[in-house]
Amino acid sequence: LAKTTQPISMDSYEGQEVNITCSHNNIATNDYITWYQQFPSQGPRFIIQGYKTKVTNEVASLFIPADRKSSTLSLPRVSLSDTAVYYCLVGPGDNDYKLSFGAGTTVTVRA
Amino acid sequence: SQTIHQWPATLVQPVGSPLSLECTVEGTSNPNLYWYRQAAGRGLQLLFYSVGIGQISSEVPQNLSASRPQDRQFILSSKKLLLSDSGFYLCAWSSGEPTEAFFGQGTRLTVV
Repeated sequence: LAKTTQPISMDSYEGQEVNITCSHNNIATNDYITWYQQFPSQGPRFIIQGYKTKVTNEVASLFIPADRKSSTLSLPRVSLSDTAVYYCLVGPGDNDYKLSFGAGTTVTVRA
Repeated sequence: SQTIHQWPATLVQPVGSPLSLECTVEGTSNPNLYWYRQAAGRGLQLLFYSVGIGQISSEVPQNLSASRPQDRQFILSSKKLLLSDSGFYLCAWSSGEPTEAFFGQGTRLTVV
């Protein structure tokens, strides 16, 4: 998987929009960008995946610029239950099935 | 639909005792299988992954081992547990789709 860099932590308040940017300068042509969410004492859960431009689902939006060297996960109108660790993964690279997670971004939503 | 089963949910084991954690996947064939460990307040550490029966790739040298005796069964073992083996162990599977994986509920292992 390509190396990714994302902030260690972010704080927000209920009702605000949270944007988490992930840098992946060495992204390959066949790589996708995938985001996961992890709550304490649970396994990560797939949130959203994209290749280019914008992807939106019921949980989040993913913005990918034309050069694909970064991506931004956008969580609209967060609530306390959105407090979690968010991981950005870029791959699969050259048929690399090794799924390695980085440290992720701890998002804390306050009332 | 596909489901992943991981057990037990919690486990307390004395130092030096053996370990066997089992993970099974239903509803799919030839999945890629993964074992992760997460220490308290830390990120996910990939321990082993397997792309087929009998094919195990180890990521971190340690006193743990993994086996895949059947297509949808992945087992994590240790002959003698260490205190440092304590943590939250997660099994996951993917179908080969780019980086989309599905996780089990995890096993909280405490070595005392």
